[in-house]
Amino acid sequence: AQTVTQSQPEMSVQEAETVTLSCTYDTSESDYYLFWYKQPPSRQMILVIRQEAYKQQNATENRFSVNFQKAAKSFSLKISDSQLGDAAMYFCAYRSSNSGYALNFGKGTSLLVTP
Amino acid sequence: KAGVTQTPRYLIKTRGQQVTLSCSPISGHRSVSWYQQTPGQGLQFLFEYFSETQRNKGNFPGRFSGRQFSNSRSEMNVSTLELGDSALYLCASSDRQPNTGELFFGEGSRLTVL
Repeated sequence: AQTVTQSQPEMSVQEAETVTLSCTYDTSESDYYLFWYKQPPSRQMILVIRQEAYKQQNATENRFSVNFQKAAKSFSLKISDSQLGDAAMYFCAYRSSNSGYALNFGKGTSLLVTP
Repeated sequence: KAGVTQTPRYLIKTRGQQVTLSCSPISGHRSVSWYQQTPGQGLQFLFEYFSETQRNKGNFPGRFSGRQFSNSRSEMNVSTLELGDSALYLCASSDRQPNTGELFFGEGSRLTVL
């Protein structure tokens, strides 16, 4: 089974600064999808960004970008110009191209944004 | 467009009882997945339904079951509740289009087992 590891239980960043959240995964597959989800205190998870493994170009969504290193099985999330509303739990997730829509989640990183 | 709706939002049960949770997906979405979230185990996949058929199942005992109706609404049931079943149960819907896989989550049902 694929495992997803987030080695940083908690991170802190000041407003307007940049922070990088780490994620590594273990898989023997070549075709898969990676996601970062955000779970604010209200508990509703929302998708931040996705990356298809077959794409070499790193995904970007406004202030959010990823550093996808397929050989190293690393998928980090960079948040630029951090805002107070970015404070949340961030989960890295893996989906095999063969597993339907089952996501394997990491344990999450709690991001604190300070004024 | 209404989001994913889960009911009830909070409930308290005692050991040995059973519970049914409901999930209404986003209109047009035919895939519904269920996840259990606990502080210790994190987010774990329970099962996925698509067009009333279970397509995938996680590593949970048979006490956990689910179903999906023709209108795509889904229910999950946990029988003979144990203390360890206390968790936030999240439902997610998807249009299951290839190469996307975006899940839209509900706010969850918080189950406490006493």
